Amino acid sequence: QLHLQESGPGLVKPSETLSLTCTVSGGAVSISGYYWAWIRQPPGKGLEWIGSIYYSGTVYYKESLRSRVTISVDTSKNNFALRLTSVTAADTAVYFCARINGYSSEWGRGTLVTVSS
Amino acid sequence: EIVLTQSPAILSLSPGERATLSCRASQSIITYLAWYQQKPGQAPRLLIFDAANRATGIPARFSGSGSGTDFTLTISSLEPEDFAVYYCQERSNWPRLTFGGGTKVEIK
Repeated sequence: QLHLQESGPGLVKPSETLSLTCTVSGGAVSISGYYWAWIRQPPGKGLEWIGSIYYSGTVYYKESLRSRVTISVDTSKNNFALRLTSVTAADTAVYFCARINGYSSEWGRGTLVTVSS
Repeated sequence: EIVLTQSPAILSLSPGERATLSCRASQSIITYLAWYQQKPGQAPRLLIFDAANRATGIPARFSGSGSGTDFTLTISSLEPEDFAVYYCQERSNWPRLTFGGGTKVEIK
């Protein structure tokens, strides 16, 4: 059974960089036909797609975040990562990683990242 | 960019009642729509994909319908565990995803 686990700092200072990793077990990130996504949810609000990456490195980003976000994949470590630069309080959210083939049937449990000094 | 509008924002019902949730797309997405259920502190769970197909393990009381721009999620008879927030999501521009704002189904 596929398992996804987000990891990274729970607290980031304003203007700094948020970095998270999603470690995949029970399956390979190099599986064909699936993308790997980051999705976030500010406290009490809805879901926001951040970006998706294929194991080959092909990546798509939400336009409004494109200038600040980088998603990468490491097939040797079977994980993928999110970097978000110049964070503000508006980036405070639960960050989920997920596997998608149009829809997301496998999600990590999510990790809360708070942006605060 | 496609915008998904869910209504109502809050639906107050009693156990055993029928729930009807709406999701409207700003342009046609054919049947490229999914519904998710999310409970507090949990990740969303896929309920319905491609507008009308139940995901693995989803009870038959959940059903989806619609095409083009108007979609509906119906819960035929609410169980206590169904009180949650429901999101629609479209994949017409996959692997880019768009989510609706959500409908909270609360106990009346």
